Amino acid sequence: QSVLTQPPSVSAASGQKVTISCSGSSSNIGSNYVSWYQQLPGTAPKLLIYDNNKRPSGIPDRFSGSKSGTSATLGITGLQTGDEADYYCGTWDSSLSAGKFGGGTKLTVL
Amino acid sequence: QVQLVESGGGVVQPGGSLRLSCAASGFTFSTQGIHWVRQTPGKGLEWVSFMRYDGSNKYYSDSVKGRFTISRDNSKNTLYLQMNSLRAEDTAVYYCAKDGGVVTHFDYWGQGTLVTVSS
Repeated sequence: QSVLTQPPSVSAASGQKVTISCSGSSSNIGSNYVSWYQQLPGTAPKLLIYDNNKRPSGIPDRFSGSKSGTSATLGITGLQTGDEADYYCGTWDSSLSAGKFGGGTKLTVL
Repeated sequence: QVQLVESGGGVVQPGGSLRLSCAASGFTFSTQGIHWVRQTPGKGLEWVSFMRYDGSNKYYSDSVKGRFTISRDNSKNTLYLQMNSLRAEDTAVYYCAKDGGVVTHFDYWGQGTLVTVSS
């Protein structure tokens, strides 16, 4: 059972918008930056969002991140079939002195 | 370009040992912290360990503490993970990932190396 809670799956139609939530606590999300990763089948994870809402170079602005209190959200607009992947949130837990990931959310584009 | 290449995975019996390596290039290795993250086939990501750029701080997940040791050789641009007393539940793909800040995020990942613990 992960310290960070994500929905196991989400789905939306092509071209639409979807959000993925990540819930934690005061010792992790509440006091540290949140990052998001996309993992396509058979590949290593790829950084999508860091420091709650920043996008690395090359990541389209269809992807966005936000944080409020002990929760964070990844938003994806203009869904494409190529966005079908597993998405993970991650952060540091200051009480545990350990990195933490959410359990992952499988995105299906209908 | 940043590149991280893991090696050393394989099949090992329960109770055995294995040492993973992560060879880095494309950035100044001696100034960056590096993590190990693992993923059980078909399951989610699990953070394993982190070492600061200068080796001054090391952190481990509770599941590997006392059994795994992280180290690095900045002269060889290489990170290591010595894994002892291996258990079936350690079976996973092990990734090394570069820290993008100070334990803030993982900005580059290797392709992973598979460790299978089985008799």
